[in-house]
Amino acid sequence: EMQLMESGGGVVQWGGSLRLSCEASGFAVSTNYLSWIRQAPGVGLEWVSVIYSSGDTYYADSVKGRFTISRDISKNTVYLQMNSLRDEDAGVYFCARDPALFGMDAWGQGTTVTVSS
Amino acid sequence: DIQMTQSPSTLSASVGDEVTITCRASQSIGSWLAWYQQKPGKAPKLLIYKASSLASGVPSRFSGSRSGTDFSLTISSLQTDDFATYYCQQYSSFWRTFGQGTKVEIK
Repeated sequence: EMQLMESGGGVVQWGGSLRLSCEASGFAVSTNYLSWIRQAPGVGLEWVSVIYSSGDTYYADSVKGRFTISRDISKNTVYLQMNSLRDEDAGVYFCARDPALFGMDAWGQGTTVTVSS
Repeated sequence: DIQMTQSPSTLSASVGDEVTITCRASQSIGSWLAWYQQKPGKAPKLLIYKASSLASGVPSRFSGSRSGTDFSLTISSLQTDDFATYYCQQYSSFWRTFGQGTKVEIK
């Protein structure tokens, strides 16, 4: 069974940094696409970033230059390094398996990021 | 970036009703569109992929269709468990985008 578990959320000061983790089980991150998606309180879903099996990465304009997605194949884990955090970065962050043809077919439970000013 | 315009934002319906949610892409995305259901405090759940393919374990009352850059999600006979928020998402581009969401409420 495919499972994803996010961790690393918490309270961070405006302008600060945080690293989120997404540990996968039941499949290998090395041969799959993984995306991060976020949801501000009471708002819809916003795609944040994806890492392809090739290692190529893509970002939403709203986070480009501030966030970095990476992976550790030995730990079967994907990371999201978030720097220069702003109020609008607060919310629940989900990771999802994102196979190219089939939509996002497995999601974690989410981890919450709060930005305090 | 490809924009996804979803409507309506809210839909009030009764158990047994047929309901349809629509999503329009700002440019051609082929059939690379998925639909998700999200309940409060939970992660989204994949319902439909490639515009009209039913995800594993999803009841057959859910269906999806495509006409050009217009996409629809139809629930043929609304059940109590279906009251939730629904999102479309395109994955034609490296930069995925979601629609704004449609909340299906009890009338």
